Amino acid sequence: QQPVQSPQAVILREGEDAVINCSSSKALYSVHWYRQKHGEAPVFLMILLKGGEQKGHEKISASFNEKKQQSSLYLTASQLSYSGTYFCGTAIKAAGNKLTFGGGTRVLVKP
Amino acid sequence: GAVVSQHPSWVICKSGTSVKIECRSLDFQATTMFWYRQFPKQSLMLMATSNEGSKATYEQGVEKDKFLINHASLTLSTLTVTSAHPEDSSFYICSASTRTGRETQYFGPGTRLLVL
Repeated sequence: QQPVQSPQAVILREGEDAVINCSSSKALYSVHWYRQKHGEAPVFLMILLKGGEQKGHEKISASFNEKKQQSSLYLTASQLSYSGTYFCGTAIKAAGNKLTFGGGTRVLVKP
Repeated sequence: GAVVSQHPSWVICKSGTSVKIECRSLDFQATTMFWYRQFPKQSLMLMATSNEGSKATYEQGVEKDKFLINHASLTLSTLTVTSAHPEDSSFYICSASTRTGRETQYFGPGTRLLVL
């Protein structure tokens, strides 16, 4: 079952912050975040593993609440380059390294 | 590091023909490769998972005889769309991962298929 992302879209001014949420009905082993720009392939941002949290990539960070099967991606002091569609991909232990992607969150950062 | 290439990037073909798409991991050995299709403004839908030297595992609803996958080596996987029809037109993306324990998938640039 596909994880649910919210919001579906967000418009920001440069320098503003935003949070994107990803919720699953299944017990998750890991959550992966990707950003896709129009006409391009998704680019890996970061992975969050069960039992830990990993940050990285510009001023973008994320958290993983294992009990709630939720992950949140934080865009801090957004830049124009942050525009794109953000996808979370979730993995369950039984499925190996197969990911199921959420519907995506479109982010537009305006000057 | 972790670069994945796809070829071709664009293909236009006539209905009924077959199209082969190559996916290569350039600087690492990919124990597993994945094939996705993506329709405009939609999410990535997994079609199949392939491990080197073994048969691909297809997702429910994906016809294995129509979408032939071969993972001949640790750096190459191919997807062949057989007898393509207009409804097969889509953006096909491959990804590759290594058995590092982190299971990160690295995506290729994608292939746009247009069937006339």
